Amino acid sequence: KAGVTQTPRYLIKTRGQQVTLSCSPISGHRSVSWYQQTPGQGLQFLFEYFSETQRNKGNFPGRFSGRQFSNSRSEMNVSTLELGDSALYLCASSDFWGGETQYFGPGTRLLVL
Amino acid sequence: SQQGEEDPQALSIQEGENATMNCSYKTSINNLQWYRQNSGRGLVHLILIRSNEREKHSGRLRVTLDTSKKSSSLLITASRAADTASYFCATEHSGNTPLVFGKGTRLSVIA
Repeated sequence: KAGVTQTPRYLIKTRGQQVTLSCSPISGHRSVSWYQQTPGQGLQFLFEYFSETQRNKGNFPGRFSGRQFSNSRSEMNVSTLELGDSALYLCASSDFWGGETQYFGPGTRLLVL
Repeated sequence: SQQGEEDPQALSIQEGENATMNCSYKTSINNLQWYRQNSGRGLVHLILIRSNEREKHSGRLRVTLDTSKKSSSLLITASRAADTASYFCATEHSGNTPLVFGKGTRLSVIA
């Protein structure tokens, strides 16, 4: 099976702009989770979707949002970008929602100038 | 915070030596997992150990779990230069809750 794919791989934006990241899970996986990774905070959970419903949500401001489509593909959106949003954004898919084994994509590296 | 803590933060060893990394957590868990991340890339799942298990093996990896001490260790035997990466522990604390990741141990294996 093909692995988790994320697009784009690299992105440069300026403060105040918005960005949309995309994730395609492993075929058959219905759960998609998003994480933000920074050197200072490490890996922080953003949200998780299962069968188009948000099941879990991390402690991030409302500028961070996501959705999942009927084919399990997911997008996350960050509006009004801030410098501190510069990070590696990782998507992971799983058979079921919650804390079972996660299969990660290569990530999208976002730089906010 | 439920975030686990890995120890040490960084570890440098010679090829062929064993590498041991530790993870401590604060509240009870359903399972604990170890992941590897090569520089700037996605994480790769290594092994999962459930709260009722004490030890698991996978190839050159050995994981132990001591729920009374709320700690786990990951042992990599006969390390190789290709094992150079960051290693993270992740915990599930109750049913269907997301994994909580520690900040990782950076392992360097010198050829």
